[in-house]
Amino acid sequence: DAGITQSPRHKVTETGTPVTLRCHQTENHRYMYWYRQDPGHGLRLIHYSYGVKDTDKGEVSDGYSVSRSKTEDFLLTLESATSSQTSVYFCAISESAGAYEQYFGPGTRLTVT
Amino acid sequence: AQKVTQAQTEISVVEKEDVTLDCVYETRDTTYYLFWYKQPPSGELVFLIRRNSFDEQNEISGRYSWNFQKSTSSFNFTITASQVVDSAVYFCALTLMTTDSWGKLQFGAGTQVVVTP
Repeated sequence: DAGITQSPRHKVTETGTPVTLRCHQTENHRYMYWYRQDPGHGLRLIHYSYGVKDTDKGEVSDGYSVSRSKTEDFLLTLESATSSQTSVYFCAISESAGAYEQYFGPGTRLTVT
Repeated sequence: AQKVTQAQTEISVVEKEDVTLDCVYETRDTTYYLFWYKQPPSGELVFLIRRNSFDEQNEISGRYSWNFQKSTSSFNFTITASQVVDSAVYFCALTLMTTDSWGKLQFGAGTQVVVTP
């Protein structure tokens, strides 16, 4: 199994509070991704990173920001959480983009009340 | 824009029956990759297969087989002689080979497979 951990695994927070989710990998893969999973939508890409300090937006990036200061860590921040951001968040890594399969972390279940 | 459609929300079968999951994709690009992932009840996503748009050969891996047909833009997945452990949500996904799309997986909504003893 790919060495990917996510923290926290579960979190309940109130509307308007900032939240940071962490993804940590031990595979030294260049590419990292953040997805959210919602019923009826599958997984949707929020942001991704193609190297340290190199990030770009995905399909549903509004309300989210990311940072990557080290190869192994990719942080997802909700600056001011809203109820619509209640979801399961998955981090993924890949050795390269395109042809390479992505390996997913265990997920973080976030509830915004 | 790309789109992946998994029209079957849920499929229920009895153990040992075969089950086929449909995946239909839309893209104007001619070069792309297709994937299948499995999400068991424990929640993690498990990579099953990758197929590029140049290779229409069907593939078999144990009880799993995949039928890729560019003419109908479909990449269907069959589980033969299903087992209870096959109960999961299965996702089909697409990514283009263009530089600005690399790695951006477009997922279908998923198909829940329930296998009962």
